[in-house]
Amino acid sequence: AQKVTQAQTEISVVEKEDVTLDCVYETRDTTYYLFWYKQPPSGELVFLIRRNSFDEQNEISGRYSWNFQKSTSSFNFTITASQVVDSAVYFCALSDRGNNRLAFGKGNQVVVIP
Amino acid sequence: GAGVSQSPSNKVTEKGKDVELRCDPISGHTALYWYRQRLGQGLEFLIYFQGNSAPDKSGLPSDRFSAERTGESVSTLTIQRTQQEDSAVYLCASSQDRPYEQYFGPGTRLTVT
Repeated sequence: AQKVTQAQTEISVVEKEDVTLDCVYETRDTTYYLFWYKQPPSGELVFLIRRNSFDEQNEISGRYSWNFQKSTSSFNFTITASQVVDSAVYFCALSDRGNNRLAFGKGNQVVVIP
Repeated sequence: GAGVSQSPSNKVTEKGKDVELRCDPISGHTALYWYRQRLGQGLEFLIYFQGNSAPDKSGLPSDRFSAERTGESVSTLTIQRTQQEDSAVYLCASSQDRPYEQYFGPGTRLTVT
């Protein structure tokens, strides 16, 4: 069975601080895919990243970085030097071979205070 | 290019009425998904279409929910005899195929009074 846990519900940070969002997943498959999506106040989900289970390289894209660790079943997301525009709900999601769906976590509400 | 579009953006209906929600996927995307997002919650999978294969309906919450897709284009999600618990945002997504990233539409906010 697929399961994604995002334990932190709401996180408030002051602008320019870093914020890390934790994502822990469960799957029986050895091949799976992990995703992060951003949902700003407008409501539309924006794709941020996809990682394959066989590629554990960390990734950096501008102020965003992702830390994938299979040993702890975690795929954490860090926003460096946060900005007000980063205020949104961030969802971690999992897709494995056994399912056609994305299994989403409950999301992290990030509030960046100017 | 154009993204996923959904209509209507908002729908208010009375309990017991039927509603139809429409999704236009990104051109060339063979896979189409419907999800439901209740207020303050994550996304719940409803149904998945892939080409001419039989759809995966395993997420539909009751037989009041159904969906169709015409070829690799438009999809319609129908909710019959709506109930207040059906109030949610219904999101459509499309992708090239599993396991590629899904691109989401803006959603239809359904309110059942």
